[in-house]
Amino acid sequence: DVMLTQSPLSLPVTLGQSASISCRSSQSLVYSDGNTYLNWFQQRPGQPPRRLIYKVSNRDSGVPDRFSGSGSGTEFTLKISRVEAEDVGVYFCMQGSYWPTFGGGTKVEIK
Amino acid sequence: EVQLVESGGGLVQPGGSLRLSCATSGFSFSTYWMSWVRQTPGKGLEFVANIDRDGNKKNYVDSVKGRFTISRDNAKDSMYLQMSSLRTEDTAVYYCARDPFFSAWDYWGQGTLVTVSS
Repeated sequence: DVMLTQSPLSLPVTLGQSASISCRSSQSLVYSDGNTYLNWFQQRPGQPPRRLIYKVSNRDSGVPDRFSGSGSGTEFTLKISRVEAEDVGVYFCMQGSYWPTFGGGTKVEIK
Repeated sequence: EVQLVESGGGLVQPGGSLRLSCATSGFSFSTYWMSWVRQTPGKGLEFVANIDRDGNKKNYVDSVKGRFTISRDNAKDSMYLQMSSLRTEDTAVYYCARDPFFSAWDYWGQGTLVTVSS
């Protein structure tokens, strides 16, 4: 199975500052159709995961433009600009190019 | 509004069985693949099984093959997970999720807790 390694595990952030989460894949996530099926999810305490970004950089409807995804091949990044209190939670990368697998998660908290 | 509501979780002894249900509304159920994903504090999120639009194609994670069966009833806009020969390691919150393409799950239920313990 494809392994996704996220870093850091924990990310204390000051309100209004930016935060970046890295997701590294054990192999290229480029599928045979040319698409890269790397997605990002947010999970707030006590809630199910919520998709934020699909296919590397496409933001879901209703997701603030403070959230952005980038990357290619095996290296991907989720950036949160101007962190707000409502952004507290665990963020997961997940790939669907092969058998679906998740990263271990990054816990974002306010300093 | 798209809604997915799981039910059927609970406490069961090792070797026992449970049937999870996922009732959906707010979208054309029969046009989507559907999935079950589980979450534990220790192992994190894990894809369990999925089923195609007609219920003909099904995929399972190796650890549940031969023990779990995924199914759907498009007339009832519902999906199911029949779990048998349950093990302690199956203890988790089980989510149903809609799959628009390549497991890019865009809507999730609130989850149902399955606890396997004697």
